[in-house]
Amino acid sequence: DGGITQSPKYLFRKEGQNVTLSCEQNLNHDAMYWYRQDPGQGLRLIYYSQIVNDFQKGDIAEGYSVSREKKESFPLTVTSAQKNPTAFYLCASSIKGPTDTQYFGPGTRLTVL
Amino acid sequence: GNSVTQMEGPVTLSEEAFLTINCTYTATGYPSLFWYVQYPGEGLQLLLKATKADDKGSNKGFEATYRKETTSFHLEKGSVQVSDSAVYFCALLNTGGFKTIFGAGTRLFVKA
Repeated sequence: DGGITQSPKYLFRKEGQNVTLSCEQNLNHDAMYWYRQDPGQGLRLIYYSQIVNDFQKGDIAEGYSVSREKKESFPLTVTSAQKNPTAFYLCASSIKGPTDTQYFGPGTRLTVL
Repeated sequence: GNSVTQMEGPVTLSEEAFLTINCTYTATGYPSLFWYVQYPGEGLQLLLKATKADDKGSNKGFEATYRKETTSFHLEKGSVQVSDSAVYFCALLNTGGFKTIFGAGTRLFVKA
């Protein structure tokens, strides 16, 4: 089955620790995205990658970092510089770019204690 | 800047009732408009989209018409089912842009 996987579903970390969220897709999509979802708010774009080894900051990139070394993988690191990291994080991919349908993973809920 | 405003929820309906979820937008140019649905514990799925004025997107009994004169893209369904209970997000993508702008979401509860 083709799709996007995110792991783990729930993640707990202590304040001050960096944490990396996994996102893998086997859809052969070029473009990948990371969004943050907070209660009562829509999704906000953290980072966007159109091709391997290239990515652009979204609206709320501060305190986050990404890499895109392989087409299938787009991990997101939440650093200790992110002031309010507790949130639901969603990864998505699309065939070429944002005008194509975005397919979303099931999400990772990060709680920083 | 670009923005999307949708009606606050939750919306609670009985099965077979008519559904309308309002969505209005602010954008420069001619954006594409989308409705996404998020079922409990899952990521978002594209429900329907429209790319130009007067286009009607439709899927699974849901419809929305791109109204440029009122900058609106209201979601409608003639007869909702319990399985339609979810959160619905209106979104826009401006021409040439890479950032999809999402509304805050509207939670729908459908009672049997």
